[in-house]
Amino acid sequence: KQEVTQIPAALSVPEGENLVLNCSFTDSAIYNLQWFRQDPGKGLTSLLLIQSSQREQTSGRLNASLDKSSGRSTLYIAASQPGDSATYLCAVPTGGSEKLVFGKGTKLTVNP
Amino acid sequence: NAGVMQNPRHLVRRRGQEARLRCSPMKGHSHVYWYRQLPEEGLKFMVYLQKENIIDESGMPKERFSAEFPKEGPSILRIQQVVRGDSAAYFCASSLNQYDIQYFGAGTRLSVL
Repeated sequence: KQEVTQIPAALSVPEGENLVLNCSFTDSAIYNLQWFRQDPGKGLTSLLLIQSSQREQTSGRLNASLDKSSGRSTLYIAASQPGDSATYLCAVPTGGSEKLVFGKGTKLTVNP
Repeated sequence: NAGVMQNPRHLVRRRGQEARLRCSPMKGHSHVYWYRQLPEEGLKFMVYLQKENIIDESGMPKERFSAEFPKEGPSILRIQQVVRGDSAAYFCASSLNQYDIQYFGAGTRLSVL
């Protein structure tokens, strides 16, 4: 059974700091991993999708890496801004199927 | 190209009533997924549908919950005889192909009084 853990559960940083969010999963037989952002009371915005054949994916100030063998992914946010404040979710498909298993998220607060 | 549309955004029901949540996938997408986010919990998969077919309903509670995705019109998640424990945010996602990126709607927040 796939389980996804995100550490830390919450993180508060000053504006401009670089930071790393962690995601680990128990079943390494995945074909991709997806990072989402969720703002309070809002839906999910897909940030990055990493295919299992990729090691990392970049979009602007965001960089996500994937190490399937160790069951880990990291989301790196450079030069954080107050607008980055949100909950970041990591999700992987389970058992070769299409249904996603989510971590509980990391709640990020970037202070001006 | 509109995203995944869910309505209503907020729904209030009294215990014992029925709740109907609607989801219109992105244009051209025929794969729909429903997830539930209970307070202080992560999102949990409920059901996966393609047009007129339920593909995987392994996450659906055995009673009171049903889902459909008719040939025409939106996907519907129906909860009969709601209880307080059904209060949650219900998210719909759609994808172009089975293993493609899932795009999420803004969710329907159900409150059961």
